[in-house]
Amino acid sequence: DQQVKQNSPSLSVQEGRISILNCDYTNSMFDYFLWYKKYPAEGPTFLISISSIKDKNEDGRFTVFLNKSAKHLSLHIVPSQPGDSAVYFCAASAFTGTASKLTFGTGTRLQVTL
Amino acid sequence: KAGVTQTPRYLIKTRGQQVTLSCSPISGHRSVSWYQQTPGQGLQFLFEYFSETQRNKGNFPGRFSGRQFSNSRSEMNVSTLELGDSALYLCASSLAAGQLNTEAFFGQGTRLTVV
Repeated sequence: DQQVKQNSPSLSVQEGRISILNCDYTNSMFDYFLWYKKYPAEGPTFLISISSIKDKNEDGRFTVFLNKSAKHLSLHIVPSQPGDSAVYFCAASAFTGTASKLTFGTGTRLQVTL
Repeated sequence: KAGVTQTPRYLIKTRGQQVTLSCSPISGHRSVSWYQQTPGQGLQFLFEYFSETQRNKGNFPGRFSGRQFSNSRSEMNVSTLELGDSALYLCASSLAAGQLNTEAFFGQGTRLTVV
């Protein structure tokens, strides 16, 4: 049962344009969401996060939007740069007492072309 | 400040063997989680350790086990290896479990190949 879904396995965007990566979740207990970026042969790198009490969080070129009623979040990258080409994972967390775990989507491979 | 260190980086094992992977978290971090990454499956949670105690466990068979030491370093062990265990095993550390700031910092992973 995939509780976090990234339905687009890949996305290609021209340099300078906006990249929009989408993520849907099914578990209403999730209350913290994160985006990670992963280059080949490296571990995922934390990019940006959002708490369920917010609907938007911005950090430089990266903005994450959360729509709780639709159980949907998206990552916007503006403007897209070639160095942004990587696999992006959406992750969600639900606090379970003193422990928490991240549930990841299957990733979206972003290719930023010149 | 050193990042998360995983050893070894690459490993080739034969079916039926067992393997132990090591993870040293960022200094001061007390929570260590393990994930398995396979093509098409994304990152799947294996288990989380905090203060030497397993706090959370994913849906993996009992052949997968782990432990955490008093210095927060963690090891995971896979016994009776199967071909399907071939994957990138990632370790992540975070300051503590159950806090709002749950950003996890990942190591580069151990690429395990079972032949």
